[in-house]
Amino acid sequence: DTGVSQDPRHKITKRGQNVTFRCDPISEHNRLYWYRQTLGQGPEFLTYFQNEAQLEKSRLLSDRFSAERPKGSFSTLEIQRTEQGDSAMYLCASSMRTSGRGYEQYFGPGTRLTVT
Amino acid sequence: DAKTTQPNSMESNEEEPVHLPCNHSTISGTDYIHWYRQLPSQGPEYVIHGLTSNVNNRMASLAIAEDRKSSTLILHRATLRDAAVYYCILSPGNTPLVFGKGTRLSVIA
Repeated sequence: DTGVSQDPRHKITKRGQNVTFRCDPISEHNRLYWYRQTLGQGPEFLTYFQNEAQLEKSRLLSDRFSAERPKGSFSTLEIQRTEQGDSAMYLCASSMRTSGRGYEQYFGPGTRLTVT
Repeated sequence: DAKTTQPNSMESNEEEPVHLPCNHSTISGTDYIHWYRQLPSQGPEYVIHGLTSNVNNRMASLAIAEDRKSSTLILHRATLRDAAVYYCILSPGNTPLVFGKGTRLSVIA
C-alpha cells in the first residue's frame, strides 16, 4: 500500500491557461473523490467516481472543470481557462466500497494551484 | 447534509488527554459519525468512525452520547504530532464527505 499520490504537488499558471492534475489512488480502491480546499476552510467536494463511472458532480464544478477516470484506476482533473478564484489545494481521496467497508477515505497530499 | 458544530480551537498540554467535542443535534438514523484530522500542509487523515457504540482504535477513542446528538473524540495522550485541525463529519458512509471548519488543536510542550 503506497498511499494516494498526486502530481504535480505545486502548479503556478497564468490566468486563462489550462491545467491538468493527476491522482493515483490506492490500488484496488474502486472509489475516487476530488475535493478543493481554500485557505482556512475545510475541503469541499467536487466530484467522485466508482470505477470509471462519474457518479456525482458538485455545483462547484463549473463547465470549465472536467474529470475522468478512464480505466477505473488513475484520474485526471482538468481546469480550462483558469481564473484567480481557482487558486486552491486540490485533494484526491480513494476508498474501497464493499459491503460493510468503505467508510474510510484515504487522501493524497494535494496539488496546490496558484493562478497569477 | 446534517451539520456539526465544533469549537474553533482548543489547546492541550503534551501528554495530557484531549477531549474534542462535536454537536450534531440533527443527525439521522443512518448517519455515521466520522472524524478526520489534517496536519499542516497535508491531506486529511481518517481517525475513527462510529454509529451508536463507543469505538476505540490505535489513534483515538470515540464516545457517542446515548441520543447520538453529540460525540467526543478522545486522544489519550496528546503529542506535538497531534497538532492539527480535527473535523467531525456525519455521513452514511461511501459518500462524499462534507467538511466544516473543524477544531484547530494546539499542543503545548
